[in-house]
Amino acid sequence: GDSVTQMEGPVTLSEEAFLTINCTYTATGYPSLFWYVQYPGEGLQLLLKATKADDKGSNKGFEATYRKETTSFHLEKGSVQVSDSAVYFCALGTGANSKLTFGKGITLSVRP
Amino acid sequence: DAMVIQNPRYQVTQFGKPVTLSCSQTLNHNVMYWYQQKSSQAPKLLFHYYDKDFNNEADTPDNFQSRRPNTSFCFLDIRSPGLGDAAMYLCATSRRGERTEAFFGQGTRLTVV
Repeated sequence: GDSVTQMEGPVTLSEEAFLTINCTYTATGYPSLFWYVQYPGEGLQLLLKATKADDKGSNKGFEATYRKETTSFHLEKGSVQVSDSAVYFCALGTGANSKLTFGKGITLSVRP
Repeated sequence: DAMVIQNPRYQVTQFGKPVTLSCSQTLNHNVMYWYQQKSSQAPKLLFHYYDKDFNNEADTPDNFQSRRPNTSFCFLDIRSPGLGDAAMYLCATSRRGERTEAFFGQGTRLTVV
């Protein structure tokens, strides 16, 4: 079946540090890939997405590139802010109804 | 603003007492989903609707049911909540299609006492 593997957390960084969160996937079909962010006590918000190989999704300074050859979708940001502190979920979507399979999520804490 | 709204945000129910969580949307999306998210875990799909077509995940317990009376509303019914059903329940919507993203509500935090 489909699965998403994220690097173990939590991650703690100082403000303005570089961020990489690794994500790899296994899928039987040709999935779309997503990063969702969840702030404390809130639902999930779409951060960015990529729908085909070599697509780069970007939003709010975050980027991720769909790498079909390595089945990866790593999230990066050049300079994190305190307001980026949240839980980040990598997900893949398959099928006509775009059912999502999520990774376990990783908690990011950014210190001033 | 178009959005997905879940009510209530917090729900406390007694062990074994039926409870209903609600979700409404103004996006006019034809697919609606219910996810269960336990503490520090990934959201897990319980079931979804494409219009009125109900799709249950194979490992969703029978204790969980759902209703979708119209495009805008979807309900999650837990017939006999157990302590293990305490979780955040997330409703989401999307347009039908293989490359579309889901839009989530803020969730309902269910506590079972």
